[in-house]
Amino acid sequence: EAGVVQSPRYKIIEKKQPVAFWCNPISGHNTLYWYLQNLGQGPELLIRYENEEAVDDSQLPKDRFSAERLKGVDSTLKIQPAELGDSAVYLCASSWVGYTFGSGTRLTVV
Amino acid sequence: AQTVTQSQPEMSVQEAETVTLSCTYDTSESDYYLFWYKQPPSRQMILVIRQEAYKQQNATENRFSVNFQKAAKSFSLKISDSQLGDAAMYFCAYRDTYSGGGADGLTFGKGTHLIIQP
Repeated sequence: EAGVVQSPRYKIIEKKQPVAFWCNPISGHNTLYWYLQNLGQGPELLIRYENEEAVDDSQLPKDRFSAERLKGVDSTLKIQPAELGDSAVYLCASSWVGYTFGSGTRLTVV
Repeated sequence: AQTVTQSQPEMSVQEAETVTLSCTYDTSESDYYLFWYKQPPSRQMILVIRQEAYKQQNATENRFSVNFQKAAKSFSLKISDSQLGDAAMYFCAYRDTYSGGGADGLTFGKGTHLIIQP
């Protein structure tokens, strides 16, 4: 069984540019999560999807962050425009009974 | 809101020795789940062990065991016979029980960096 796949693995962009991260969850996992992990910190939940519905997006900074999960499978997280403080690791996870995490995307904003 | 506190930013242990990582949490719920995750440099979170709050028996997975003290809201991880491959960041995490329609997100502590001395 393939795990949670995220791409790209690394991304370097200039501030004010847009950026997008992609996540492919484990087949059959209806619940998908995006987490933000700052350096030296634990992950923090940004958004949770049940199929294609965002059921918890209270921690998502909606002025610049957006997410979608079309057809309840793959998901994309977007930042526009990126700021220096957005430099972090963005983790995706999916769940059926237990959680499975991807390897994350490390974003550096310069 | 639930909070998870890991008071040890870094721990060091000799190979083959035993080490205990501390975690405390705060919740008003009576039923919940607690987890320990390992995050190596590859960044992928790997589940080490899981504990259901309604179970009094402490969870064990091979060399890994927990000391779950519900009244004290404490959930420590003991690693026996430490191996070089155990070196990583370790995160304690909390989740409420299912509220219907899927699992809530996890609340993580700040992590403990475990160093294994050869």
